[in-house]
Amino acid sequence: GAGVSQSPSNKVTEKGKDVELRCDPISGHTALYWYRQSLGQGLEFLIYFQGNSAPDKSGLPSDRFSAERTGGSVSTLTIQRTQQEDSAVYLCASSYTGTMNTGELFFGEGSRLTVL
Amino acid sequence: QQQVKQSPQSLIVQKGGISIINCAYENTAFDYFPWYQQFPGKGPALLIAIRPDVSEKKEGRFTISFNKSAKQFSLHIMDSQPGDSATYFCAASRSGYSTLTFGKGTMLLVSP
Repeated sequence: GAGVSQSPSNKVTEKGKDVELRCDPISGHTALYWYRQSLGQGLEFLIYFQGNSAPDKSGLPSDRFSAERTGGSVSTLTIQRTQQEDSAVYLCASSYTGTMNTGELFFGEGSRLTVL
Repeated sequence: QQQVKQSPQSLIVQKGGISIINCAYENTAFDYFPWYQQFPGKGPALLIAIRPDVSEKKEGRFTISFNKSAKQFSLHIMDSQPGDSATYFCAASRSGYSTLTFGKGTMLLVSP
């Protein structure tokens, strides 16, 4: 496909379980971002990957959250020991350039996580 | 610390009316101000963006007005249509930094 692909589109899990969310960015895009969207909270930055540089993890809310990007392409966001407050839509975006003042972000449709 | 404040939280406008959404920022280093549009079940998509060297940018029915001294910018949707019903996010970033800081969003409903 031509757009950013995310899977699963919906995930229901029990509190305390680990979950993995996958993002396949647009081919050729060097930058990849994860955002979290909660009701009434807007879009919260989580983590940013740019090429082979060390990722910017400054938005990760706790050490239960981690992400990796393999081969400069696909990324996986992992949430360990999920809590009910982790319930949200997790959005992945990619862009051709890491310089935000020139690059448009292309978002996927998100993975909706519900923690029971 | 909320660096980009967006208002109103929700907005109802009649078809053909003008929709106005406002944002204020705190960081004077911000130099890129995009607006994103999000339909239910979809990811946000870039609508229009402005840099502080101009005070206004217009694309079709959508206009961004920018007031650098007040650290405010706004989105105006002229002749609003039911198809414009969506959530709108303002955002800001600064040169050399990777992340967009988003406002909390405005849910716009254009009644037929």
